[in-house]
Amino acid sequence: AQTVTQSQPEMSVQEAETVTLSCTYDTSESDYYLFWYKQPPSRQMILVIRQEAYKQQNATENRFSVNFQKAAKSFSLKISDSQLGDAAMYFCAYTTDKIIFGKGTRLHILP
Amino acid sequence: EAGVVQSPRYKIIEKKQPVAFWCNPISGHNTLYWYRQNLGQGPELLIRYENEEAVDDSQLPKDRFSAERLKGVDSTLKIQPAELGDSAVYLCASSLDFNGPPEAKTQYFGPGTRLLVL
Repeated sequence: AQTVTQSQPEMSVQEAETVTLSCTYDTSESDYYLFWYKQPPSRQMILVIRQEAYKQQNATENRFSVNFQKAAKSFSLKISDSQLGDAAMYFCAYTTDKIIFGKGTRLHILP
Repeated sequence: EAGVVQSPRYKIIEKKQPVAFWCNPISGHNTLYWYRQNLGQGPELLIRYENEEAVDDSQLPKDRFSAERLKGVDSTLKIQPAELGDSAVYLCASSLDFNGPPEAKTQYFGPGTRLLVL
């Protein structure tokens, strides 16, 4: 069965610094999609970044980038130049014909 | 463009009572999802619709949960009877096309319905 593991329940980072959130997954599939979603306090969940498993190039969206290691089944999210508005729960998600979310990492930004 | 709309936002009921949640997806999105999110956890998929067809309801507790998506647009999720353990946030999301290109798989979430069962 597919699983998604986020091993860091909480993390803190100083404003303007860089932080990396980890995500590992288990699957026997070769074609799938990975997502990072952000859920700010009392606000709706929104997409941060998407990675297609068939692409070797790591996805990047402005200050957000991923380190996708297919063989290691690892999909970490790097946030550069952290801002106060980045404080949120971050969920890693795996999709084939199934959709599985990790338990999330709560990110605190220290001013 | 309007996002995913859910109602009610909050609901408090006593156990054994029925409850229903409503979702209006983004216009043109053929895929609709219902999730349950327990406190401090990630969303757990309950059911996925492609148009009006439920294509994945493997995690839906069918003894007490039911869902429908008439005409492939709005959807309703019902619990009858509710149990204490059903207290959670129920999220609805939609995407353009789950079976489409990568960008069409991106899910857009509603604000959720927070259910408290007493």
